[in-house]
Amino acid sequence: NAGVTQTPKFQVLKTGQSMTLQCAQDMNHEYMSWYRQDPGMGLRLIHYSVGAGITDQGEVPNGYNVSRSTTEDFPLRLLSAAPSQTSVYFCASSYGRASDTQYFGPGTRLTVL
Amino acid sequence: EDKVVQSPLSLVVHEGDTVTLNCSYEVTNFRSLLWYKQEKKAPTFLFMLTSSGIEKKSGRLSSILDKKELFSILNITATQTGDSAVYLCAVEAAGSNYKLTFGKGTLLTVNP
Repeated sequence: NAGVTQTPKFQVLKTGQSMTLQCAQDMNHEYMSWYRQDPGMGLRLIHYSVGAGITDQGEVPNGYNVSRSTTEDFPLRLLSAAPSQTSVYFCASSYGRASDTQYFGPGTRLTVL
Repeated sequence: EDKVVQSPLSLVVHEGDTVTLNCSYEVTNFRSLLWYKQEKKAPTFLFMLTSSGIEKKSGRLSSILDKKELFSILNITATQTGDSAVYLCAVEAAGSNYKLTFGKGTLLTVNP
């Protein structure tokens, strides 16, 4: 199993550009989530999904969109990048709920200029 | 709003020392508390503590949950340089099955 994969590993954007961060898991997990991590801030939940076709907002959803058309994939879209979105983004998955053992992807370091 | 506060924010010790990391929380309808270790990359799961499991131990790491006083501690005995990491605490509220609230983490540095 590859576990949770994320692409790209690094990305630099200009203000106003859009992009999609990819996340995929091959463990047949129902629950997937996106977090951002800023220095000294821990992890903050952006969006999550409890199964294909079902998504919901987390703590900091503004400026981000998600969709879940398959169990495996959970992409995160930045609609119009802003410097405040400079962060490290982690995707995670677990069997059924957030407190089940979550497997994290390696992260995407995003810089918005 | 759920709140998780970790202390200290950073800690430097020597190999062989014992450390105690703290996590206090305010959450409506507490369900579980989780500890993660984050080295240079993604967090990895350490423990989950619930009402029915208030003490966990794995090797040199152990954790307890005090539901009355609303805190948890993570103990690491005989620390090694490989224990250097950020330790994250997160809580889950009942009825919010799909959301974890994380603390800011404790950066532990173990010097040889």
